[in-house]
Amino acid sequence: KQEVTQIPAALSVPEGENLVLNCSFTDSAIYNLQWFRQDPGKGLTSLLLIQSSQREQTSGRLNASLDKSSGRSTLYIAASQPGDSATYLCAVTWGAQKLVFGQGTRLTINP
Amino acid sequence: DGGITQSPKYLFRKEGQNVTLSCEQNLNHDAMYWYRQDPGQGLRLIYYSQIVNDFQKGDIAEGYSVSREKKESFPLTVTSAQKNPTAFYLCASSTGQKETQYFGPGTRLLVL
Repeated sequence: KQEVTQIPAALSVPEGENLVLNCSFTDSAIYNLQWFRQDPGKGLTSLLLIQSSQREQTSGRLNASLDKSSGRSTLYIAASQPGDSATYLCAVTWGAQKLVFGQGTRLTINP
Repeated sequence: DGGITQSPKYLFRKEGQNVTLSCEQNLNHDAMYWYRQDPGQGLRLIYYSQIVNDFQKGDIAEGYSVSREKKESFPLTVTSAQKNPTAFYLCASSTGQKETQYFGPGTRLLVL
């Protein structure tokens, strides 16, 4: 079964720290992997999309990496700010052409 | 402004009632999707549509129905057969099924 797992479910860090969020998936034959941000009671905002042939993508203070062989992706956030507080969701597209989501990591940045 | 709109923001359903959630996009996207989100869980796919007048069941389609008569619109009906409808419903669209999905603000459905 194709599954996506995000651990931990919640993470709290002081402002200014660099941090890493983890995502693992069960089948390495992915088409792409996406990271989303969700604020409480809101929809999802796409952060980064990594195609199967790519190893990483960067946008501002965010960097997402992909290691298909180990079934893992990480989202690196540099110099964290209170505004980064949100739930971060990882989602994978396999051959069935639909997104499978992880349960998310709820991130809190403490001023 | 281009984007996806969902209405209403909150919806209340009585026992045995069918309710319809609206999703409209002006991004000229071919593909549209409906997801359900429960507390502590990721999003689960209800239905998706790759093109007008065509749609497929997702992982949890029982108790739901959709239509895709226009490219811009993909309404979701929660029928009385859905016994646990309380959830946050999210609509999304994309240029193609394997491309970045753009999400609406969501509708929270509550049962009276």
